[in-house]
Amino acid sequence: EVQLVESGGGLVQPGGSLRLSCAASGFIFSDHYMDWVRQAPGKGLEWVGRTRNKANSYITQYAASVKGRFTISRDDSKNSLYLQMNSLKTEDTAVYYCTRVDSGSYSSYWGQGTLVTVSS
Amino acid sequence: DIVMTQSPDSLAVSLGERATINCKSSQSILYSSSSKNYLAWYQQKLGQPPKLLIYWASTRGSGVPDRFSGSGSGTDFTLTISSLQAEDVAVYYCQQYYSPPFTFGQGTKLEIK
Repeated sequence: EVQLVESGGGLVQPGGSLRLSCAASGFIFSDHYMDWVRQAPGKGLEWVGRTRNKANSYITQYAASVKGRFTISRDDSKNSLYLQMNSLKTEDTAVYYCTRVDSGSYSSYWGQGTLVTVSS
Repeated sequence: DIVMTQSPDSLAVSLGERATINCKSSQSILYSSSSKNYLAWYQQKLGQPPKLLIYWASTRGSGVPDRFSGSGSGTDFTLTISSLQAEDVAVYYCQQYYSPPFTFGQGTKLEIK
């Protein structure tokens, strides 16, 4: 069974940093691209970024709203995905989901999400 | 960036009736060399993460009931629920994965009339 479990969310002040983790199981993690998607309270879905797999040089791509502040990384030996978030703003408040990407394209599985609240 | 626009924003349909949700992209998301439309549909029930319903615009995801179908090509796409069930109450999102950023539509809230 595919499982994605996010952790690391919490309350942080504006300008602060936070690192989210996503533990993957039930599939060959190293084969897949992985995405982060977020959802502000009561709002729609926003794609945050993607990491490709080793065969595709671990290339990362980001939404303009987070580029230069957020960094996606992965540790295939630990079946884990990470999102390092720096210079956080109040508008980064959201539930953050990690997703498994199939065929280098669509998100086939989603975690339950972790809530990040940026507030003073 | 490719803008995805869904219509309507909300929809109320009687049980057993057909529900239709539209999604329009600001540019074609048909990749000509593969003849595939780079579009997915997701269902999000209250308090839950999204679930993949449809990919490549018309392929149902694993375990998705056949009352859900996707159609369209180029810039105009439709998600159809042929006979609405109570468990289909949710918000539905389309997403293009043709080019980054992989943008979502604003969502369509589906309720029972």
